Amino acid sequence: DAGVIQSPRHEVTEMGQEVTLRCKPISGHDYLFWYRQTMMRGLELLIYFNNNVPIDDSGMPEDRFSAKMPNASFSTLKIQPSEPRDSAVYFCASSPARGPGQPQHFGDGTRLSIL
Amino acid sequence: AQKVTQAQTEISVVEKEDVTLDCVYETRDTTYYLFWYKQPPSGELVFLIRRNSFDEQNEISGRYSWNFQKSTSSFNFTITASQVVDSAVYFCALSQYGGSQGNLIFGKGTKLSVKP
Repeated sequence: DAGVIQSPRHEVTEMGQEVTLRCKPISGHDYLFWYRQTMMRGLELLIYFNNNVPIDDSGMPEDRFSAKMPNASFSTLKIQPSEPRDSAVYFCASSPARGPGQPQHFGDGTRLSIL
Repeated sequence: AQKVTQAQTEISVVEKEDVTLDCVYETRDTTYYLFWYKQPPSGELVFLIRRNSFDEQNEISGRYSWNFQKSTSSFNFTITASQVVDSAVYFCALSQYGGSQGNLIFGKGTKLSVKP
């Protein structure tokens, strides 16, 4: 079975550019999560969706970040304009319904470098 | 407040040694879940185990074992006879039952290096 698929795996871009990260969750999973991993702050939840609806976006750092889930099989995380401090590994994860006891399955991550 | 503490930042052992990774958590919830994830050098996050707050039975899976003690709010992970392939960063995580359902709170991770 296919796992969570993220693209691109690596992104290098210049400050001020728009960055779009993509995620395809595991089919049948109702929850989708976006995390950011940095050396300083570790793994932080940015936002999560249930049945395509954003439930908690309190982790989104600022208005430059936005996330959408137009359908059950696709989500995007957009940064506009990007800044060097946004450099991090961004993970997408999904889990099936029936509550927080379900393990989250992570994609391979997108390593983002803003120059 | 919910919090996960992994006090060991880095551990280095020689192959075949046993090693225990510590995890201490804080929560006011009576129902919660604890997880361990592995992040090998390739970068992906791999789910290892889940434990709910009502099940204090220890678990063994091959060379891996987990010791959950509610009295000390700890969920420690032991690798027996470590191997080079066990080298990775290991994360302990906590998930609450109510409120922001499904939110995983991660510890900072413990980097394990197993030398041949």
